Amino acid sequence: DAGVTQSPTHLIKTRGQQVTLRCSPKSGHDTVSWYQQALGQGPQFIFQYYEEEERQRGNFPDRFSGHQFPNYSSELNVNALLLGDSALYLCASSPSRRNQPQHFGDGTRLSIL
Amino acid sequence: QQQVKQSPQSLIVQKGGISIINCAYENTAFDYFPWYQQFPGKGPALLIAIRPDVSEKKEGRFTISFNKSAKQFSLHIMDSQPGDSATYFCAATVFTGGGNKLTFGTGTQLKVEL
Repeated sequence: DAGVTQSPTHLIKTRGQQVTLRCSPKSGHDTVSWYQQALGQGPQFIFQYYEEEERQRGNFPDRFSGHQFPNYSSELNVNALLLGDSALYLCASSPSRRNQPQHFGDGTRLSIL
Repeated sequence: QQQVKQSPQSLIVQKGGISIINCAYENTAFDYFPWYQQFPGKGPALLIAIRPDVSEKKEGRFTISFNKSAKQFSLHIMDSQPGDSATYFCAATVFTGGGNKLTFGTGTQLKVEL
């Protein structure tokens, strides 16, 4: 049973560019959440997708956008990249029921030059 | 605004000892409290979780103690091993709109020495 998979594992971009990160949820999970983890910090919630709609959003600008596909996989898009966007981007999936733990992938390490 | 406060920031424990990490929360809407373990270069891995109607949960060497009135919960790692050396995050969730939104603590770097 495959867990949460993310691609790519590493990415290097320059300021002003755009990036797309991808996530496949764990089998049986229909809710996908994205988190940003800066070095030495805890993950910060970006947004959550369920039934192909953004359901919740954290304190991130609209340069951060996403999408969920009918197969529950998801993409995170970041436009106009800033140096401060350098971080580990984590995808987590869970069933759409109360008190269900989220399972994380190993993330995409994004470096902005 | 830090809704989940975690301490200590770092912890050194001798092999075989007990590691204790504490967390406190403010939002009474939180209804599920997981703990995650993270190794360098990896994503957080679910360790153990508890609901607020339970005061203690034990899984192997890991125990969560939960005090709803004090809005505090803690992780105890018994017989700590060098392989437990990692960063530990407490978290709290609230269920809205089809999913559980996680709020993380700031993390505790645990080192278990021989």
